[in-house]
Amino acid sequence: QKEVEQDPGPLSVPEGAIVSLNCTYSNSAFQYFMWYRQYSRKGPELLMYTYSSGNKEDGRFTAQVDKSSKYISLFIRDSQPSDSATYLCAPGGEGNFNKFYFGSGTKLNVKP
Amino acid sequence: DGGITQSPKYLFRKEGQNVTLSCEQNLNHDAMYWYRQDPGQGLRLIYYSQIVNDFQKGDIAEGYSVSREKKESFPLTVTSAQKNPTAFYLCASKRTGNTEAFFGQGTRLTVV
Repeated sequence: QKEVEQDPGPLSVPEGAIVSLNCTYSNSAFQYFMWYRQYSRKGPELLMYTYSSGNKEDGRFTAQVDKSSKYISLFIRDSQPSDSATYLCAPGGEGNFNKFYFGSGTKLNVKP
Repeated sequence: DGGITQSPKYLFRKEGQNVTLSCEQNLNHDAMYWYRQDPGQGLRLIYYSQIVNDFQKGDIAEGYSVSREKKESFPLTVTSAQKNPTAFYLCASKRTGNTEAFFGQGTRLTVV
């Protein structure tokens, strides 16, 4: 069983739509949950992270963690063409936070 | 400006040749990582190092080697033993105990 499962997409939405990106994970010891955004041919950049269960909001982005079901989500409100990228979830936190596991990434395309 | 630099951006090698990918950071981070990214598979951990002169195998270390002689540098050698070396290679670093990893812009290796 993979540590992290993520639907690879691609996901295509019109500008202004609400986007929901999701991952499931298998290790109940994970404490930190990261979302990275990766533009084409670039390295990933940290978008948001949450600790344990709950929600965290940052502008148009909301990260949500449900540890009971091992399910993590990223919501994007009022999506923009500049949001078009691949989004990778990365739960982890074991071993003094030195090891994280990345999902396969969901490719998002926001059409103008 | 602080950051993490990978070079070269594109690399072509003939089958059977060893090749070394460079990764340098001036963020004063203790931990450094090498990941491999293939389409549909996300990031897979090759090697990581938490301190100078020490490193650990990740999930797919076979056919790769690393060294960590300086805090700033963590070169990756792709050896001829690696069966399918063509991929996008990403180097990352982070401060021990912190959650955020900073990524370089990647090296795309093509073996012909």
